[in-house]
Amino acid sequence: NAGVTQTPKFQVLKTGQSMTLQCAQDMNHEYMSWYRQDPGMGLRLIHYSVGAGITDQGEVPNGYNVSRSTTEDFPLRLLSAAPSQTSVYFCASSPLPPEKLFFGSGTQLSVL
Amino acid sequence: GNSVTQMEGPVTLSEEAFLTINCTYTATGYPSLFWYVQYPGEGLQLLLKATKADDKGSNKGFEATYRKETTSFHLEKGSVQVSDSAVYFCALSSGIYGGSQGNLIFGKGTKLSVKP
Repeated sequence: NAGVTQTPKFQVLKTGQSMTLQCAQDMNHEYMSWYRQDPGMGLRLIHYSVGAGITDQGEVPNGYNVSRSTTEDFPLRLLSAAPSQTSVYFCASSPLPPEKLFFGSGTQLSVL
Repeated sequence: GNSVTQMEGPVTLSEEAFLTINCTYTATGYPSLFWYVQYPGEGLQLLLKATKADDKGSNKGFEATYRKETTSFHLEKGSVQVSDSAVYFCALSSGIYGGSQGNLIFGKGTKLSVKP
């Protein structure tokens, strides 16, 4: 019972570097999403998907790309990392409608 | 737009004390309301939910009642334990699936510390 698996758990980047945060779920959930968690800001939605081939922007999409080629995987790409993207990133999945979200354990990203 | 406001923390209590964490919301239509909990070093997990006015959600000794007249969904527990130390998030869903309206909107979270 893996649930939602995120990798890596920790990452340090230099400004301008690119990277991909991986997210996979084995529950056959249609809905997947990425959130960032910052002190005093709570969770903010970056991008979400309601099925393979369908993605849409959330509250804070700038600087991030996503794709959903399979039901299981929903990677988040940082195109050119900036210090403002230092945060903890969570992937979550759910059956539709998105109410009971299952969260991964998070990725702590630092951009220097 | 839809929003959730939680009381600011941190909240520090002694074991067996009574807990209340306030949550109010602004929403159009008839939202569903949720409390999520985040234990140290983990992702969030659903604690309880209520889908219509006057519903009471409950789980692990925690309760919250959906009050439409006061647009509130306060979390309560009669006797907290050290193991309840965590961050608690109130959230809502507009219940209207379609576009961004189907996504959960979270409050900023309230950190609870329970001392022995």
